[in-house]
Amino acid sequence: GAGVSQSPSNKVTEKGKDVELRCDPISGHTALYWYRQRLGQGLEFLIYFQGNSAPDKSGLPSDRFSAERTGESVSTLTIQRTQQEDSAVYLCASSWDGKRQPQHFGDGTRLSIL
Amino acid sequence: KQEVTQIPAALSVPEGENLVLNCSFTDSAIYNLQWFRQDPGKGLTSLLLIQSSQREQTSGRLNASLDKSSGRSTLYIAASQPGDSATYLCAVTPMFSGGYNKLIFGAGTRLAVHP
Repeated sequence: GAGVSQSPSNKVTEKGKDVELRCDPISGHTALYWYRQRLGQGLEFLIYFQGNSAPDKSGLPSDRFSAERTGESVSTLTIQRTQQEDSAVYLCASSWDGKRQPQHFGDGTRLSIL
Repeated sequence: KQEVTQIPAALSVPEGENLVLNCSFTDSAIYNLQWFRQDPGKGLTSLLLIQSSQREQTSGRLNASLDKSSGRSTLYIAASQPGDSATYLCAVTPMFSGGYNKLIFGAGTRLAVHP
């Protein structure tokens, strides 16, 4: 497909479990972003990848959150020892580069922590 | 710290009305401002992007204005249709974000257009 693909679309897990969310950006897009959207709120920036540069992790809310990206392709966001406040929609976006180019968003992963 | 506020939080109008959504931001040092649309269970679709040097952008029935000095933007939707029902998000790119799209979002306006 031509768009940003995220999986799974929905994830329900018990408190304390680890979860891994996946993002496939648009082919050729060097910049990749993760955002979190809590119910009724705007998107919060989590982390940014640009090519082979060190990622900007300034938005990660705690050390339970981490993300990786293999080259300029797939990225995974991992949340360890999940808490109920981690419940949110996690959105991934990609763009041609990080220089203020339009971001293209996936449909997100809706994460529910019981 | 840059903060983005959108008013109203929710809006319900009959089909055919012209309407205005408001967005304000606290720091005028921005590269650009974007309006997005979000349908339930979906990601964001970019509607309009206004560079800091521009005053407005138009696309079809949508018109977005930007007054950077006062920290305000409006999204005008003409002749609203039921298909316009969605959440509309405003986001700015702060000028000191490291040169990339570290977007700061408002909480959105949830629009319902009924027949």
